[in-house]
Amino acid sequence: EVQLLESGGDLVQPGGSLRLSCAASGFTFGNYDMTWVRQAPGKGLEWVSIAKTSGGGTYYADSVKGRFTISRDNSKNTVYLQMNYLRAEDTAVYYCTLGDSLNWGQGTLVTVSS
Amino acid sequence: DIQMTQSPSAMSASVGDRVTITCRASQDISNSLAWFQQKPGTVPKRLIYAASSLQSGVPSRFSGSGSGTEFTLTISSLQPEDFATYYCLQHKNYPRTFGPGTKVDIK
Repeated sequence: EVQLLESGGDLVQPGGSLRLSCAASGFTFGNYDMTWVRQAPGKGLEWVSIAKTSGGGTYYADSVKGRFTISRDNSKNTVYLQMNYLRAEDTAVYYCTLGDSLNWGQGTLVTVSS
Repeated sequence: DIQMTQSPSAMSASVGDRVTITCRASQDISNSLAWFQQKPGTVPKRLIYAASSLQSGVPSRFSGSGSGTEFTLTISSLQPEDFATYYCLQHKNYPRTFGPGTKVDIK
């Protein structure tokens, strides 16, 4: 059974940094692209970033490009999202998903507020 | 970036109704479109991928169609558990983009 477990969400001040982690199990992690999707309170879904399988590169939404960095450690079956220069509008539940969002974690809440 | 729109943004329907939701892309995405269902307080669930392929375990009353720039999600006979918000996602280009959502509630 596929399991995705996000962690790292917290309350952070504007301009601050945070690193999210997503520990995966139940599938061959290195064979799959991994994606972050977020959802602001009461709002719709927003695609954030993808870490493709080895050598496949990374891509970002325009809203986070230059501030967020996605990475993966295939030896640990974990994908990360390093978030810098956080803004109030980054407040959201951040979901880790498998591939093009076939499977979803339960999400981790990031709140950016002073 | 590819922009996605959905119509309607919200609708009221009754159990047993046939429901159709439309998603439009700002450029040709071939059949690279997925549909998701999200109920309040829960994680989204993928219903359809590649425009018309039903995800395993999803009831057959759900169907998807379309290609190019216009797509539809149809629920043939709305059930009580289908009241939710539905999102489309283009998976043709990066960055991927979701539609703004269609909320289906009880009439």
